[in-house]
Amino acid sequence: SQQGEEDPQALSIQEGENATMNCSYKTSINNLQWYRQNSGRGLVHLILIRSNEREKHSGRLRVTLDTSKKSSSLLITASRAADTASYFCATPSIGTDKLIFGTGTRLQVFP
Amino acid sequence: DTAVSQTPKYLVTQMGNDKSIKCEQNLGHDTMYWYKQDSKKFLKIMFSYNNKELIINETVPNRFSPKSPDKAHLNLHINSLELGDSAVYFCASSQENRGLSGANVLTFGAGSRLTVL
Repeated sequence: SQQGEEDPQALSIQEGENATMNCSYKTSINNLQWYRQNSGRGLVHLILIRSNEREKHSGRLRVTLDTSKKSSSLLITASRAADTASYFCATPSIGTDKLIFGTGTRLQVFP
Repeated sequence: DTAVSQTPKYLVTQMGNDKSIKCEQNLGHDTMYWYKQDSKKFLKIMFSYNNKELIINETVPNRFSPKSPDKAHLNLHINSLELGDSAVYFCASSQENRGLSGANVLTFGAGSRLTVL
């Protein structure tokens, strides 16, 4: 299966702390995406990083990509209670429109 | 305006029944998808249509039949429902952005929670 794995499965932190989630995948990719899912809602696209990029920022989000290790990390700085959600990485299946999602990290931010 | 809308949001039904979930997108995207999310939050693709043509059909029982009357709609019909079909079903759409190395960024609906009793 191409499905990526995320680590940790669950993470609990206090507001103001940073949260780091990791994603490992199995095949060669041309990009990797991160999505957020609030409880009872659909997934929302956060950020996309291309295979020739090593790091990308968007607001309080920082994504890194190491294609040699087939891994990516998502860092949320100065977390807020509103960041409480599940976070998924997703990689495309080469040659198709299929986007394969990781197993997700459930982040809980306590006020 | 809701970009990807699914109905119904909740569906509770008995084993053996037939049910449908509807999806519509107003983004002008060419590709639409159905994903299934189980109780452990694992998200797996089921089907993908591009301009009304089926392009991805994962290993899904043939009790599941998608139908795309036009590129803005992708409905999912399920026959002879089983307990294991209980899940949240997400519709999504995308417009491949060739400027981003062919990246498909998905826009998801809010999900349809199906409970089979």
